[in-house]
Amino acid sequence: SQQGEEDPQALSIQEGENATMNCSYKTSINNLQWYRQNSGRGLVHLILIRSNEREKHSGRLRVTLDTSKKSSSLLITASRAADTASYFCAPQTGANNLFFGTGTRLTVIP
Amino acid sequence: DAGVTQSPTHLIKTRGQQVTLRCSPKSGHDTVSWYQQALGQGPQFIFQYYEEEERQRGNFPDRFSGHQFPNYSSELNVNALLLGDSALYLCASSHGTSVYGYTFGSGTRLTVV
Repeated sequence: SQQGEEDPQALSIQEGENATMNCSYKTSINNLQWYRQNSGRGLVHLILIRSNEREKHSGRLRVTLDTSKKSSSLLITASRAADTASYFCAPQTGANNLFFGTGTRLTVIP
Repeated sequence: DAGVTQSPTHLIKTRGQQVTLRCSPKSGHDTVSWYQQALGQGPQFIFQYYEEEERQRGNFPDRFSGHQFPNYSSELNVNALLLGDSALYLCASSHGTSVYGYTFGSGTRLTVV
């Protein structure tokens, strides 16, 4: 399977806390991407990390990648109610298409 | 700069009918991918178009077909609709192996009754 699998399936935290989501995959990859989806809307690209990178930051987001374990994590620091959404990881091979898992549903309680 | 535009936003069809969904990619993008997302599930890859050709296809029956036009816009056609085809259909565009990933449209919500 080329898709990523997110864990946990659901996560509920208080506003201001940090949220960590994990992703596992099975194939060799060129890069791994994280997306956010607000309820019933399109996906929004958050960050892309290449297979030769170990960590990447974007604002309050921090992504790590461990190719030896075929896993990645997404950390959202100082969460806000607006971060409430589903988060998907998408490992990308040279085929240049993306396969998504079932996502992590994050709820940030004000 | 307009992003990805999908039409219509909502659609109700009767079982057995045919439907056509449309997608205009982001300016500068030449590749269009289609996804089906059932309620509570992740997006499932249907197919990808590049240079007016279907480049890759997911595990969907031949009832699902598509087309890409010279201006890179795309259509998704579904024949002989089933109740199980009810879903959010997402179009995503990209350009090569852009570090900016895919740009998604807001989707078309298809309900089959």
